[in-house]
Amino acid sequence: DAKTTQPNSMESNEEEPVHLPCNHSTISGTDYIHWYRQLPSQGPEYVIHGLTSNVNNRMASLAIAEDRKSSTLILHRATLRDAAVYYCILRANAGGTSYGKLTFGQGTILTVHP
Amino acid sequence: NAGVTQTPKFQVLKTGQSMTLQCAQDMNHEYMSWYRQDPGMGLRLIHYSVGAGITDQGEVPNGYNVSRSTTEDFPLRLLSAAPSQTSVYFCASSRSRGASGYTFGSGTRLTVV
Repeated sequence: DAKTTQPNSMESNEEEPVHLPCNHSTISGTDYIHWYRQLPSQGPEYVIHGLTSNVNNRMASLAIAEDRKSSTLILHRATLRDAAVYYCILRANAGGTSYGKLTFGQGTILTVHP
Repeated sequence: NAGVTQTPKFQVLKTGQSMTLQCAQDMNHEYMSWYRQDPGMGLRLIHYSVGAGITDQGEVPNGYNVSRSTTEDFPLRLLSAAPSQTSVYFCASSRSRGASGYTFGSGTRLTVV
């Protein structure tokens, strides 16, 4: 499985934008870039995903580098409820049964200060 | 829609006991997976299924069995519980392709004494 690299932790102030980086230099052409977050004592929650183009939804934006070797999750205005562990994961779209798999790394712990 | 439902939410087992963690989804998702999360750690994949009758092993399959007789259900069986299996277990489901996000259940907190 292609690996991702994220910083262990980041900090932000409330109502400021947050840019969470992810490196995935071994990404294949059919891999989707997924982001999940896990709030304390809860299960992971889907945030956003993309393939090549930048993506926006009600929760966040995903900016994907032109060579797809890195991406950035953007929270436009952080709130205290955004404090969580954020996971950047590659999900294959081809290749037998393995494209069902979602392999989690350690993620980035986001702390939001009031 | 209920999404992904896991039962029970909490369970205490004695070493050597067996039990089944239940997972059901009502979204007609082809893919289902089981993860475990130890304190302060990330999620590790135990087993997954790409459809009824098809299962495969993840990173940490030892001590666990799964079967997928229907699209909706994906139970996880602990054959002989050990203290090392104390963890929080999450079930998740998704449509079949990489463009689909996974929906996770709320978890089962298992303690083996």
